[in-house]
Amino acid sequence: GAVVSQHPSWVICKSGTSVKIECRSLDFQATTMFWYRQFPKQSLMLMATSNEGSKATYEQGVEKDKFLINHASLTLSTLTVTSAHPEDSSFYICSARGRNHEQYFGPGTRLTVT
Amino acid sequence: AQSVAQPEDQVNVAEGNPLTVKCTYSVSGNPYLFWYVQYPNRGLQFLLKYITGDNLVKGSYGFEAEFNKSQTSFHLKKPSALVSDSALYFCAVRAQSGGYNKLIFGAGTRLAVHP
Repeated sequence: GAVVSQHPSWVICKSGTSVKIECRSLDFQATTMFWYRQFPKQSLMLMATSNEGSKATYEQGVEKDKFLINHASLTLSTLTVTSAHPEDSSFYICSARGRNHEQYFGPGTRLTVT
Repeated sequence: AQSVAQPEDQVNVAEGNPLTVKCTYSVSGNPYLFWYVQYPNRGLQFLLKYITGDNLVKGSYGFEAEFNKSQTSFHLKKPSALVSDSALYFCAVRAQSGGYNKLIFGAGTRLAVHP
């Protein structure tokens, strides 16, 4: 089956630094990738949607200058949390959709900002 | 507005008993409905989906879900629960917004299966 990986699986960083999270579709080409954020015991909130080679579409209330998304190829998307603060601590999950229109989820990245 | 509701924060069931996790939806047009399961500190795993066809959909790990158009529901069911089924379950509907198809998730229901 289709596999989506994320790296790193967890990261701790200091306030003010930037963190990059990678999302890869390992055995299929992802025409669209999604980034979600999940707070403890809460549902997934869509942050942005990106198509390969074009700018990401951000959901209302998500700062595009803070959460930089790059979808450089059909198998790789990155989310960079710039100037991270403790309130950015969360579980970030990416998802990739292939040409069959099925959506597959990565294992998530836990970000802790100290 | 397009939305998904999971009215129960938690469902408790004894091992071997049938389980139901409820989901209702509100969407314009024909609904594309999904169930996902999440284990601690993990991403979501696909269980099953309804696109069209039979109202009873069978999925992974013995789960099934029944689409009921008149009640706008898509409840997840399993005839005999296992302790290993204990996890967080999300119902989702595919909606179109801003030219994109995206999944809208319910709040999630925690399933606890007791030995």
